[in-house]
Amino acid sequence: AQSVTQLDSHVSVSEGTPVLLRCNYSSSYSPSLFWYVQHPNKGLQLLLKYTSAATLVKGINGFEAEFKKSETSFHLTKPSAHMSDAAEYFCVVSGTNDYKLSFGAGTTVTVRA
Amino acid sequence: DADVTQTPRNRITKTGKRIMLECSQTKGHDRMYWYRQDPGLGLRLIYYSFDVKDINKGEISDGYSVSRQAQAKFSLSLESAIPNQTALYFCATRTSGSGNEQFFGPGTRLTVL
Repeated sequence: AQSVTQLDSHVSVSEGTPVLLRCNYSSSYSPSLFWYVQHPNKGLQLLLKYTSAATLVKGINGFEAEFKKSETSFHLTKPSAHMSDAAEYFCVVSGTNDYKLSFGAGTTVTVRA
Repeated sequence: DADVTQTPRNRITKTGKRIMLECSQTKGHDRMYWYRQDPGLGLRLIYYSFDVKDINKGEISDGYSVSRQAQAKFSLSLESAIPNQTALYFCATRTSGSGNEQFFGPGTRLTVL
């Protein structure tokens, strides 16, 4: 079985400050991990993915995430938040049963001017 | 044009009515999925299909049915809608392989009164 826990349901940051969204996963096998973003009234867009290559993964819009097997974590970061980063973010895990993605509950990011 | 489209985008209906949500894709992917999103729960899998003749239940299939009319089309039906089926519904597509991400449609907001 596989699962994802997003440790914060809501994160509020000031524009220009760093953003950290925390994600822990559970998987019996070597997982593939994804971060998706959902802007208001929009579908889900892939930010980045980890598929057992480099542990530090760079994505779109300045986001990156680091896979840490020993900590079973895949935290998402951005050095400087922008107003357009206000959205909901989902951490997702895929195991060897490749039909199934397991989603975290989501983290809502608010960016203050 | 969008790669994954969903119709309708918004629908309000009454308890007991039959509703069909449609999904079409131009990505040429063989795998298609239906999810529902509820606040604080992330996305939960309703049904998935590996090809036209291979359809499988997800974790919350009760009260739903699907039809894969062609590789590019995957419809979700609510035979007799009930209020707790009020949610945001997403269709997604994917190619095989655990490292491959899913591509999402824009979503259908369904309200059952």
